Amino acid sequence: GDSVTQMEGPVTLSEEAFLTINCTYTATGYPSLFWYVQYPGEGLQLLLKATKADDKGSNKGFEATYRKETTSFHLEKGSVQVSDSAVYFCALSERGRDDKIIFGKGTRLHILP
Amino acid sequence: DAMVIQNPRYQVTQFGKPVTLSCSQTLNHNVMYWYQQKSSQAPKLLFHYYDKDFNNEADTPDNFQSRRPNTSFCFLDIRSPGLGDAAMYLCATSRDPSGETQYFGPGTRLLVL
Repeated sequence: GDSVTQMEGPVTLSEEAFLTINCTYTATGYPSLFWYVQYPGEGLQLLLKATKADDKGSNKGFEATYRKETTSFHLEKGSVQVSDSAVYFCALSERGRDDKIIFGKGTRLHILP
Repeated sequence: DAMVIQNPRYQVTQFGKPVTLSCSQTLNHNVMYWYQQKSSQAPKLLFHYYDKDFNNEADTPDNFQSRRPNTSFCFLDIRSPGLGDAAMYLCATSRDPSGETQYFGPGTRLLVL
């Protein structure tokens, strides 16, 4: 079945460092790919999405490119801030397949001032 | 602003005492979801409604029920909460199933004494 694998955390970086959180997926068709962010004590918020191969999603300085050839959707940010500390979930959803989002296990990010 | 609202944000109940969590949305979305999220884990889908059609996940315990009296509201009923049901409960909506972005509420944190 469909699945999402993302790098385990926690990831600890200093402010202004470059961030990469790896995400790979398996799917039988052509899924939409998402990054959701969850701040402490809050629900999930959509950070960015991409719906087809080579699409780049971007928001708040974060970017991720849908790479069909490597089945990846890695999250990157050039200069992180303390306020980026949160849990990040990579996810996929496939049209016509069970009406579900498949989440990765989440990666906790700590940014030190 | 259109949004997903969950009340209360924190709910305390006693072992075995029925509890109801509520969710409302102003997005006019067709689909509403209930997730259970335990500490440091990804959200786990319990069930969802596509309009009035109820879709239960195979591994959702019978102790969990849901009602959707109209488009805007959806309720999660836990008939006899156990200590293992203490978790964050997240409501989400999407315009249509499969491949669509889900919009999450802030969650209700349930404590079972």
